[in-house]
Order: sequence, then structure tokens, then C-alpha cells
Amino acid sequence: AQTVTQSQPEMSVQEAETVTLSCTYDTSESDYYLFWYKQPPSRQMILVIRQEAYKQQNATENRFSVNFQKAAKSFSLKISDSQLGDAAMYFCAYRSPYGGSQGNLIFGKGTKLSVKP
Amino acid sequence: NAGVTQTPKFQVLKTGQSMTLQCAQDMNHEYMSWYRQDPGMGLRLIHYSVGAGITDQGEVPNGYNVSRSTTEDFPLRLLSAAPSQTSVYFCASSQTRVYGYTFGSGTRLTVV
Repeated sequence: AQTVTQSQPEMSVQEAETVTLSCTYDTSESDYYLFWYKQPPSRQMILVIRQEAYKQQNATENRFSVNFQKAAKSFSLKISDSQLGDAAMYFCAYRSPYGGSQGNLIFGKGTKLSVKP
Repeated sequence: NAGVTQTPKFQVLKTGQSMTLQCAQDMNHEYMSWYRQDPGMGLRLIHYSVGAGITDQGEVPNGYNVSRSTTEDFPLRLLSAAPSQTSVYFCASSQTRVYGYTFGSGTRLTVV
């Protein structure tokens, strides 16, 4: 079964600086999808960015970008020019393209990001 | 476009009571899932559905039932509430596996 590991329970960054959140995963599949979700104190789960494993190019969404290393099974999230509104819990997630429960999102345990003014 | 609507947002139950958490989506998504979120545990899959009339168990299904009679609705039933079911519950839907899920706003359930 696939697993997702986020090794940093908490991170802190100064406003306007850059921070990188780590995520590793374990899978025997060659095709899959990876996601980062943001959960602010409002509790809402917000999709930040997604990556398709067959694409070598790293995904980018405004100030958010990923470093996808398929061979290393690593999927880190970089937040540039950090803002106070970026403070949240961030979850890395894996999704198989195949059926069964693995076709749902498999989440890491999350990283709580604090932003200092 | 309402997206995924969950009700109620908060609920307190006594041990042994039953209740249904409602979930509805208006995006015509085939895939729907229920997750529970506990501190330090991330989100864990309870039950899921790949279309009307089709449901299956996830990682932590015990004590919960689901049904999917329509594409839009996917209610989660707690049969006999236990304190271990105190959690935040999320319903989510997805168009295809290529995309991530769209989440509801969650239900905070406390069982006393």
C-alpha cells in the first residue's frame, strides 16, 4: 500500500522569505498524482498545487512551486515571498490512477506552518 | 455553484446515539469520499463511492455506514456513537482521478 510521510510537524518562516515543506511517498506504481492541500484555521481544505507523475516539469502556481523528484519519491512544496495568510496546516497527498481505496487521496500527517511578521 | 455542502457544521452526541452526516455536491462528480481528521493523524478514509449505487470501505470503516442512491448525495451514518468517533469529518468529491478532491467545510463531531 502507498504511504505518504511529512517529516516536519511544524515549520516557521519570516514574512517575505521562502520556505520549503518536505514530503516523501512510497509506491510501486509508475503513474500517479500528487497534491498539496492547505488547511487554514477556518478548517477548509484548499487545493494548492498538483503534479502528474509522468510530467517531468515541476508544477507552479503563483508563489507556490514543487520540486518533484520521482526517483527519490520526493515531492516538496516551496512557498516564495511568504505572507501572513500562508499560515496553515499543509498536507501532502497521493492518488493512484487505479481503482480501489488507493484511488482516493492518501494523506501525510501534515506540517503546521507559522509565518512571523 | 455550491460545490460540496456538508451539514451540520457542529454536533454533540451522547454515547450510543445514532446520526447521519449529510453531504451533497452539485458538480456531477462520480467520486465521493468521507474522511475523518484527528490531531497528528492527517485525514483517513472512512468510505468511498465511485458512482451511484457503488460504495466501498476505506481505512477506518468500523462504526459507519454509507449509501449512494444518487450522484449528488453521499450521507454518512454513525450507528451507535462512541467517544472514539469524536473527530472532524470531511466529505469530498472528484470528477476524475486526474484531479484532486473538492472538500466540504467539515463537521466537528463530539461524542460524550
